Order: sequence, then C-alpha cells, then structure tokens
Amino acid sequence: RKEVEQDPGPFNVPEGATVAFNCTYSNSASQSFFWYRQDCRKEPKLLMSVYSSGNEDGRFTAQLNRASQYISLLIRDSKLSDSATYLCVVNNSSGDKLTFGTGTRLAVRP
Amino acid sequence: DVKVTQSSRYLVKRTGEKVFLECVQDMDHENMFWYRQDPGLGLRLIYFSYDVKMKEKGDIPEGYSVSREKKERFSLILESASTNQTSMYLCASTTTRDQPQHFGDGTRLSIL
Repeated sequence: RKEVEQDPGPFNVPEGATVAFNCTYSNSASQSFFWYRQDCRKEPKLLMSVYSSGNEDGRFTAQLNRASQYISLLIRDSKLSDSATYLCVVNNSSGDKLTFGTGTRLAVRP
Repeated sequence: DVKVTQSSRYLVKRTGEKVFLECVQDMDHENMFWYRQDPGLGLRLIYFSYDVKMKEKGDIPEGYSVSREKKERFSLILESASTNQTSMYLCASTTTRDQPQHFGDGTRLSIL
C-alpha cells in the first residue's frame, strides 16, 4: 500500500461547482497534513495546512479523519483559476520528512 | 516571504557528465531537501539535510550525492549523468521537518 494515495482524476467541473478530493494515508502515527497546489510546469505551493478540527480558508475547506486515515479538500464556487493539480502531503512516522501524493488534477471549465 | 532559488530553470547535459544543481534559501532554514518529480510518480525524495555538513538519504539516493557546506546552500550532484536522470528537480527548505516546505522554481534537466 502506498503511503499516500490520491485519485489522479482529472476532475472536470463547470465554474461555480463544488468539488471534493480525498486522500488516504497509511501511517496512523502521522501528525502533519497539508494540501499543496501545483500549476503545470511550476513548483508546488502550500495551499493550506490541515488541522484536527478542520479548517477553512475562503472557498477552501480541509478536513482530517484520523479514524479512517484520510484528509479531504473541498472547493466551493470553483473558478477557472482553480485548475491545477492538488497534492496531498503527510509526514512520515518519525516526523522528519514529508511524503507527497501523486496529485489530483482539477480542470474547471467555463 | 521565503525565497528558495535554484541556479537553472533548464539544463541540458550529456551522458557521463558530472552535473551540479545549486539551491539557496534566504530564511536561515535548518532543513533542506532535494526531490525529483516524474509523471505518474509524484515527488520522490533524493536527499535531505538537517544542518551544515549533515545529510541523509531519501528514498532514491542512487546515482546522486549532496553537499551542504553553508547553511543557506544545498547542492545536488549527479556523479555520472544517465538518461534515466532526466527529470524535474525541486529543492525545498523548512524550519522544522514536520512543517510545510517552501519550494524553488525547479530545474528541468535533460540528459542526452
């Protein structure tokens, strides 16, 4: 089993739609969780950290489910500019490095 | 704002050459990382460093070495470049190892 697994997509949605991505992780001892955004041929950039209680940043909501070992990202009112690949990131058991998922591609159409 | 600078955006080298990729960060971060990213495989960790002159192997260190002589600079070395090392190379840094990492723009390396 991969340490971090994501549906590669692509998710094709119209502008204004709500879309959700899930990501499962294998290490129950993981403590840090993040969502990164990566545009085509660019570097990954931090979108948001994921906290145990869940957190929101504008149209973006991140949730953590420790019992089922998954994190989610919800995007409301999708914009064309949200088109990108979203990477799920989890720290390893010793906490000294991060493991990146292979990403979920989102395409928002007019 | 954190700035991580990689020396080249695009690089073309020949098989067997020794290749140096440089990375500099301006935030006095202790931890620095080198990844490669390939389609369908995501980011894979090559080497990382906790401090000056310290280095640790990541998941795919074979064919690579690193150097950290100064805190702000972390170099990746391809000892004898091979075509299977054609990839996007990304450098990152962070304060503590469980915190988000900040990436450089990446170097697209082609080995012919």
